[in-house]
Amino acid sequence: ETGVTQTPRHLVMGMTNKKSLKCEQHLGHNAMYWYKQSAKKPLELMFVYSLEERVENNSVPSRFSPECPNSSHLFLHLHTLQPEDSALYLCASSQEIAGVGEQYFGPGTRLTVT
Amino acid sequence: KNQVEQSPQSLIILEGKNCTLQCNYTVSPFSNLRWYKQDTGRGPVSLTIMTFSENTKSNGRYTATLDADTKQSSLHITASQLSDSASYICVVSAVFGNEKLTFGTGTRLTIIP
Repeated sequence: ETGVTQTPRHLVMGMTNKKSLKCEQHLGHNAMYWYKQSAKKPLELMFVYSLEERVENNSVPSRFSPECPNSSHLFLHLHTLQPEDSALYLCASSQEIAGVGEQYFGPGTRLTVT
Repeated sequence: KNQVEQSPQSLIILEGKNCTLQCNYTVSPFSNLRWYKQDTGRGPVSLTIMTFSENTKSNGRYTATLDADTKQSSLHITASQLSDSASYICVVSAVFGNEKLTFGTGTRLTIIP
């Protein structure tokens, strides 16, 4: 266990559904991240939050909407997704976003869009 | 453009044998290089982190090397075990105030009995 949990672990949704992914870190970290991992591609950084403020949005389509209500929780709200959005969505946390900071990853949510 | 390339893409070896995975990068300004192990269906777990001044680091049967001049790193696994079957991802960090990570696509390692 890395101290970062994600729910659900698996999700199948239709293109017209709305769902949310949840991430919680028990490490007392100040920074949290959402990544997308598709087959045979490097991890793609989607969003970065530092002390509950979004500091980075890597040109992610608006059908993905993050929310960080406090430094321990991070959500990714999904609506009107496309089949190409099917992937493993990983949450990570680190002590800070500046400097040499180890990132701790959650187990991921395997998302399938039908 | 910052890039990290790993080779081979996949590797199959017998249990008990050694193997070496390669990572070449073009990332600047370089801050550190990390190797992660990712089991199927799980998130990546850190094995080693090396900064510019470190050229070798061990974590049990895993030994990472770094040549900052040639911008190459390797991960050597000794006496492989079935539990070593996983993807190994090389990640290079650049720091522009905030840290930016560039991920490789990983090497898929399969250990067979």
